[in-house]
Amino acid sequence: GAGVSQSPSNKVTEKGKDVELRCDPISGHTALYWYRQSLGQGLEFLIYFQGNSAPDKSGLPSDRFSAERTGGSVSTLTIQRTQQEDSAVYLCASRLTGFGNEQFFGPGTRLTVL
Amino acid sequence: AQSVAQPEDQVNVAEGNPLTVKCTYSVSGNPYLFWYVQYPNRGLQFLLKYITGDNLVKGSYGFEAEFNKSQTSFHLKKPSALVSDSALYFCAVRAGNTGKLIFGQGTTLQVKP
Repeated sequence: GAGVSQSPSNKVTEKGKDVELRCDPISGHTALYWYRQSLGQGLEFLIYFQGNSAPDKSGLPSDRFSAERTGGSVSTLTIQRTQQEDSAVYLCASRLTGFGNEQFFGPGTRLTVL
Repeated sequence: AQSVAQPEDQVNVAEGNPLTVKCTYSVSGNPYLFWYVQYPNRGLQFLLKYITGDNLVKGSYGFEAEFNKSQTSFHLKKPSALVSDSALYFCAVRAGNTGKLIFGQGTTLQVKP
């Protein structure tokens, strides 16, 4: 079946612009996660959704970052007023509810802020 | 706080030889441990996990991992390496009730012909 998909695959933007990154999880996966992968910081958790609610936003680095999920499916990560330090690969993952279930990752969106 | 350490930035091994990629963890309570692999410009692919049960866990592509509670380790192993195994490997531990993962810094595996 279809895996996790993300769009765009690459995004180049100018400092100060807003960007939206999209994630389509595997159908039926109620849990959805966003992570950021950068050279200096490795893989970092950003936010967790259960259905449309986000009970854990502890990894969002600043109030310029926000995310939403609609219909228990698609999620959008929005970065306002982008900065050069936001340049990274943003990964989305989903999993079935259940304590030991693994996460399935999308291919990521590579964001470059000039 | 939960944490994961991968002490080697890079592991080099000859094709056909056994490989080990090391991982140690620190958690409160029972650990739920995972290994993922990342090929260039790709997302992470799940290899295997330890939740409970046998300490030797078998996963995809011939990989296995040994859970050692006393040493707080979860090393990834494969009896005979392939050149195609060359990739970036991440160890991770589940943190809290949300299922979010805390990752190690990653280990680059280089298998030479």
